[in-house]
Amino acid sequence: DTEVTQTPKHLVMGMTNKKSLKCEQHMGHRAMYWYKQKAKKPPELMFVYSYEKLSINESVPSRFSPECPNSSLLNLHLHALQPEDSALYLCASSHDRWVEGGYTFGSGTRLTVV
Amino acid sequence: DQQVKQNSPSLSVQEGRISILNCDYTNSMFDYFLWYKKYPAEGPTFLISISSIKDKNEDGRFTVFLNKSAKHLSLHIVPSQPGDSAVYFCAASGDNAGNMLTFGGGTRLMVKP
Repeated sequence: DTEVTQTPKHLVMGMTNKKSLKCEQHMGHRAMYWYKQKAKKPPELMFVYSYEKLSINESVPSRFSPECPNSSLLNLHLHALQPEDSALYLCASSHDRWVEGGYTFGSGTRLTVV
Repeated sequence: DQQVKQNSPSLSVQEGRISILNCDYTNSMFDYFLWYKKYPAEGPTFLISISSIKDKNEDGRFTVFLNKSAKHLSLHIVPSQPGDSAVYFCAASGDNAGNMLTFGGGTRLMVKP
């Protein structure tokens, strides 16, 4: 299994809703990442988990709450989002030390906040 | 302050010809560089990478060149095929950045049949 699976693929939520994005990998990768990508912009790092511990939080607002229940799963809990949070949310994973190929990305969740 | 820049937002090439995508970086601590390809509604997929100890890496139709003194790298695709049409992101990392990747803004490549 060489994939990173993200669900759902599309999500529309209101500003008062609570929702979660899910990410799963079975490649034995011990580092997992959340990236946010707006249209015509590069992916921007949000969070990094290393060995199931949060190692990097790129000053992300608290309305985004990551969770890593185990080495294969990564969640992003969403609450009280704003319309400007609408974007493609990408999950990725990698070995804990750099190897050829860098990250493996999922296909992303297209989030629309209304 | 963009540490990785792709100055050409788009590039159009005829099928069979060479595509050259360029990338510049400013952080001299970067020592590993990657190219990713992205189709609409999909996540980026790894294409090719190069370590700073090399100046060239080749994989089939794809070759990446690194000029450390100029802080410049380029991706050559020969011959270009219509299926290569996608957005290409350059990315960089360094020992002091852990596993973090810094991405360029992307170049949209269109290969015309």
